[in-house]
Amino acid sequence: KQEVTQIPAALSVPEGENLVLNCSFTDSAIYNLQWFRQDPGKGLTSLLLIQSSQREQTSGRLNASLDKSSGRSTLYIAASQPGDSATYLCAVERGSTLGRLYFGRGTQLTVWP
Amino acid sequence: ETGVTQTPRHLVMGMTNKKSLKCEQHLGHNAMYWYKQSAKKPLELMFVYSLEERVENNSVPSRFSPECPNSSHLFLHLHTLQPEDSALYLCASSQDIQTLEAFFGQGTRLTVV
Repeated sequence: KQEVTQIPAALSVPEGENLVLNCSFTDSAIYNLQWFRQDPGKGLTSLLLIQSSQREQTSGRLNASLDKSSGRSTLYIAASQPGDSATYLCAVERGSTLGRLYFGRGTQLTVWP
Repeated sequence: ETGVTQTPRHLVMGMTNKKSLKCEQHLGHNAMYWYKQSAKKPLELMFVYSLEERVENNSVPSRFSPECPNSSHLFLHLHTLQPEDSALYLCASSQDIQTLEAFFGQGTRLTVV
């Protein structure tokens, strides 16, 4: 069974800081890894998708890296803003169970002005 | 707006009621999913549909009954639920189950009283 762990569970920082959110997974035979953002009481918004053959993806101030061998991914947020406050979820898809995403519990981020 | 629409956004139902959740996508996707998000637990996959056929039923109790009449619509029929079924129910879609960049709806917040 795939276990996905996200550290830290919560993070509170002042505006402008560069942040690193961590995700680890137990089964390295993944098909892809996806980072999502969830605002309170809302659905999920896809941020970045990294295919298993890729090492990183970038979108604006966000950069996600993937190290399959160590079972880790990091989401780097540059120059954080209050609007970045949300819960960030990491999810992996295994090659053996296509169509199924395994989620971590998320990191709840608060960026204060 | 992700292109996946869920209705209703909020639902309160008694344990003897029958209700249905609706999900609609006009992204041209062939795969649709139901997820459950309970407090303090990771998102859990409930059902996967590919080309209107159910391809996974993740040991979900029979009081939850999915229906996929066409590739654009997905329903979750609810009957004789328990208070512990109260959760945020999220619908997602992807091009197909091999290409899992998932797009999520805003969710239905269900409260069972």
